[in-house]
Amino acid sequence: ILNVEQSPQSLHVQEGDSTNFTCSFPSSNFYALHWYRWETAKSPEALFVMTLNGDEKKKGRISATLNTKEGYSYLYIKGSQPEDSATYLCAFNTDKLIFGTGTRLQVFP
Amino acid sequence: DVKVTQSSRYLVKRTGEKVFLECVQDMDHENMFWYRQDPGLGLRLIYFSYDVKMKEKGDIPEGYSVSREKKERFSLILESASTNQTSMYLCASTIAGFNNEKLFFGSGTQLSVL
Repeated sequence: ILNVEQSPQSLHVQEGDSTNFTCSFPSSNFYALHWYRWETAKSPEALFVMTLNGDEKKKGRISATLNTKEGYSYLYIKGSQPEDSATYLCAFNTDKLIFGTGTRLQVFP
Repeated sequence: DVKVTQSSRYLVKRTGEKVFLECVQDMDHENMFWYRQDPGLGLRLIYFSYDVKMKEKGDIPEGYSVSREKKERFSLILESASTNQTSMYLCASTIAGFNNEKLFFGSGTQLSVL
């Protein structure tokens, strides 16, 4: 059974704090690793799709790294803002997409 | 702006009813998917479709069927709704050869079966 694990399950931070989450996945049959942000009452929105070991991607204050050999990806948010509050999902793409349960981030002003 | 539209945001149905969840995308995507989200579980794939009139079972197809008569529309059908089908349902689409392509999601339908 292929498993994708995300930690922590939830996180509460103050505005301005930097934070990071982890996505762990099987290190075999790797095609891609996806990160999505899902705000309440909105559609999940793709942040990154990463395919190469050592890949680093950045979008504004959010960045992600990928290690396919050891099976993990980190998502970093620099200087968290209240609008960053959302659930962050990762998905491991083998011959299908397998989603983790998400990290729920709340940023307090 | 590209869009995946789900017909209802909230839906309340009774046990035994036939339920239709509709999804329309305006991006000319070949691939469409239905997922459900339950607390403590990751998104789980119910059914997907790579082309018109084509469908494939996902990980949890029992109790569901789908229809794709037109490229832009993918319907999820609960033949006889049961309380364990109370869930958040998400539709998604992507272009062909989706392994490295991001999914575009609808905003979800929260279905309650009483």
